Amino acid sequence: AQSVTQLGSHVSVSEGALVLLRCNYSSSVPPYLFWYVQYPNQGLQLLLKYTTGATLVKGINGFEAEFKKSETSFHLTKPSAHMSDAAEYFCALKISNFGNEKLTFGTGTRLTIIP
Amino acid sequence: GAVVSQHPSRVICKSGTSVKIECRSLDFQATTMFWYRQFPKQSLMLMATSNEGSKATYEQGVEKDKFLINHASLTLSTLTVTSAHPEDSSFYICSASLENNSPLHFGNGTRLTVT
Repeated sequence: AQSVTQLGSHVSVSEGALVLLRCNYSSSVPPYLFWYVQYPNQGLQLLLKYTTGATLVKGINGFEAEFKKSETSFHLTKPSAHMSDAAEYFCALKISNFGNEKLTFGTGTRLTIIP
Repeated sequence: GAVVSQHPSRVICKSGTSVKIECRSLDFQATTMFWYRQFPKQSLMLMATSNEGSKATYEQGVEKDKFLINHASLTLSTLTVTSAHPEDSSFYICSASLENNSPLHFGNGTRLTVT
């Protein structure tokens, strides 16, 4: 079965510093990978996705992630943190592209920005 | 972009009563919608897959008689929590996708509190 592991349930960075949120996956077939952000008492908003092709994907709000098959990783980065980036971030995986849209989520990483 | 609307955003009910949560795809037709449950500071757990015109598919451990799902049209799925108990208090989120290749779009969630 597939799984997603997010290392670090809490990450704190200073405003303007690099943001790095880690995600590793396990899948027996090529996965589709996603990063979602959740603000308090709200649903999830898609930040970016990797399906096929270019392994470095850019998303909204200046975030990007790189798919590394050899490391089974899909870490999320942003060069310079902003106060508005404080939120919960979820890495997710999907393995089927034909009618089964189930997402497997990681446990989430709460990002805190220090002024 | 695709929008998923969820209603109500918050509901408080007494033990033993039933609560209905609606999930609508506002600008697209969704043959499949998903219902998730999120406990405080935890990840999303898939409860069931809602299929338009047919019975929902429930995940292991989810009581189908307690969590009734109806997907009567291509734009509406409902989750009814029957005979609610305090342990049912949680954040419930629905999602849908435009097509098989696209990522899921999420509603803003419903916070259910059972007193």
